[in-house]
Amino acid sequence: GAGVSQSPSNKVTEKGKDVELRCDPISGHTALYWYRQSLGQGLEFLIYFQGNSAPDKSGLPSDRFSAERTGGSVSTLTIQRTQQEDSAVYLCASGSGQSGNTIYFGEGSWLTVV
Amino acid sequence: SQQGEEDPQALSIQEGENATMNCSYKTSINNLQWYRQNSGRGLVHLILIRSNEREKHSGRLRVTLDTSKKSSSLLITASRAADTASYFCAPSRGGGSNYKLTFGKGTLLTVNP
Repeated sequence: GAGVSQSPSNKVTEKGKDVELRCDPISGHTALYWYRQSLGQGLEFLIYFQGNSAPDKSGLPSDRFSAERTGGSVSTLTIQRTQQEDSAVYLCASGSGQSGNTIYFGEGSWLTVV
Repeated sequence: SQQGEEDPQALSIQEGENATMNCSYKTSINNLQWYRQNSGRGLVHLILIRSNEREKHSGRLRVTLDTSKKSSSLLITASRAADTASYFCAPSRGGGSNYKLTFGKGTLLTVNP
């Protein structure tokens, strides 16, 4: 498809388990973002990849969170030893990486930790 | 931080009325974008205004930018129930390829039929 694709769309996991969330950006987009949004809250920036530059990880809330982007395309966000406060929708977006260009969001991965 | 802050946090109006949402930011910017979000889904880009522009229109949307006050406003005219959503601003400093967009808490607009 032409848009940003995220999987799974919904995930229920037990506290303490690890989860992986996947983002397939728009082809050719060099910039890729992960955001987190808890119920009724704003978007919390997590991490930003831009081309071959070192990723901006300044938004990752703890060392349980990590992300990688293989081959400059698909990205995986990993949450280790999940906690109930990790329950949120995780949104991925991609863009051309240039100032003033629109970023395009996926539909998100809803994570529920029970 | 170049994150914008939207105001008010929530706005409820009747169909047909105009809705005005505001955004304030702290750093100098190259451009500012507005996005819309329906019910916790992905955000959708609405409009971009550059720092050398003062006003821009797109359909029923009007965006203004006052760089001296570091503020922007989004006006939706003749609102419809389908405009019910959260609206976010995203100021950007630009500066080449290494920029990122951050978002505030947004304005939740409810348009009552």
